[in-house]
Amino acid sequence: GENVEQHPSTLSVQEGDSAVIKCTYSDSASNYFPWYKQELGKRPQLIIDIRSNVGEKKDQRIAVTLNKTAKHFSLHITETQPEDSAVYFCAARDSGSARQLTFGSGTQLTVLP
Amino acid sequence: NAGVTQTPKFQVLKTGQSMTLQCAQDMNHNSMYWYRQDPGMGLRLIYYSASEGTTDKGEVPNGYNVSRLNKREFSLRLESAAPSQTSVYFCASSPVGAGSYGYTFGSGTRLTVV
Repeated sequence: GENVEQHPSTLSVQEGDSAVIKCTYSDSASNYFPWYKQELGKRPQLIIDIRSNVGEKKDQRIAVTLNKTAKHFSLHITETQPEDSAVYFCAARDSGSARQLTFGSGTQLTVLP
Repeated sequence: NAGVTQTPKFQVLKTGQSMTLQCAQDMNHNSMYWYRQDPGMGLRLIYYSASEGTTDKGEVPNGYNVSRLNKREFSLRLESAAPSQTSVYFCASSPVGAGSYGYTFGSGTRLTVV
């Protein structure tokens, strides 16, 4: 099955700086890569996703890049704000019929004021 | 439109007790999933149901059973709870079809087994 590795596990940045979180996946047939943000005590919320036929996608301060050849994808957050502090999870969609997601282990992002 | 509803939100069990976690979605999604979340380990898939009438094991199915009661409801049962099952459990659902990939998560059940 799919295996997703995520780095770093913790990341601290100054407000206004950029943050980058990286993930690698193992199944070359995976074709969908979402990112979720989870605030303390809350459910994970989808913030951006990318499909395998696209190399980059941007939504305001958030962008995701995908390198299919190397089987890695990254989340980029620019001009970070304290409200960006949360745990971020990457995921890759299994090629099976249920389209189940395999998640990375998460990155605790702290934006320091 | 409630999305995905999970009950209960909190539960404390004694070792050996049983319980069922309930999940219902009102978005007409075909696929439903149960994940557990433990510190430093992300979300791990317990069981999933690709469509009504089918269920399959995920990464960590031992100690759990599931029932896809109908298209809306997907329950998770712990027959004999163990301290290792202390976790936060999330139910999720997803539509199936071209262009429809995202998960909608429930609010979670925080389970403690003592």
